[in-house]
Amino acid sequence: AQKITQTQPGMFVQEKEAVTLDCTYDTSDPSYGLFWYKQPSSGEMIFLIYQGSYDQQNATEGRYSLNFQKARKSANLVISASQLGDSAMYFCAMTGGFKTIFGAGTRLFVKA
Amino acid sequence: GAVVSQHPSWVICKSGTSVKIECRSLDFQATTMFWYRQFPKQSLMLMATSNEGSKATYEQGVEKDKFLINHASLTLSTLTVTSAHPEDSSFYICSARKSSGGYTDTQYFGPGTRLTVL
Repeated sequence: AQKITQTQPGMFVQEKEAVTLDCTYDTSDPSYGLFWYKQPSSGEMIFLIYQGSYDQQNATEGRYSLNFQKARKSANLVISASQLGDSAMYFCAMTGGFKTIFGAGTRLFVKA
Repeated sequence: GAVVSQHPSWVICKSGTSVKIECRSLDFQATTMFWYRQFPKQSLMLMATSNEGSKATYEQGVEKDKFLINHASLTLSTLTVTSAHPEDSSFYICSARKSSGGYTDTQYFGPGTRLTVL
């Protein structure tokens, strides 16, 4: 069975500093995709970054990077130079085949 | 980009009435659409998967007669909450995927619909 685990219910970071949000996963499928989404208080889910199971390099999208450690089954999100607008819920997700499952989420608070 | 719209964004209804929520992919054809339900401070719970032209696949524990899903075209899926009750009050989010499968396909989400049943 597939599983996504986010162990940090809440995180604080000082504005302009970097922060790492943890995500571990479990699957027996050799082919899978890992995603991170941001959900601000408005409720919409915003796609941030994607990493495929066969990708050799870590994915990067602007200030977002995904620290993919396949052997450890972790896919941590790194946000560099945090901004006040980064305060939101962050969900890690995994797609294996057809279905996507989501972690419990981490609420990030950026302090001025 | 990949834009998904949802309508209405919020709805308040009386107990016993039915509510229809529309999900549209605006700039791409979505072979597959998903419906999620999210309770406050919780993660997304997949309710059902719908493919254009075929019956939706419901997750275990989701009543298919209560949550009717229709995927009439490659750009439109609807969720109808029939005979709504207060316990159906929740945030409903749809998402759409561009192709028919594959672990590389990103899901793009609608803005969500907040349903309150009085």
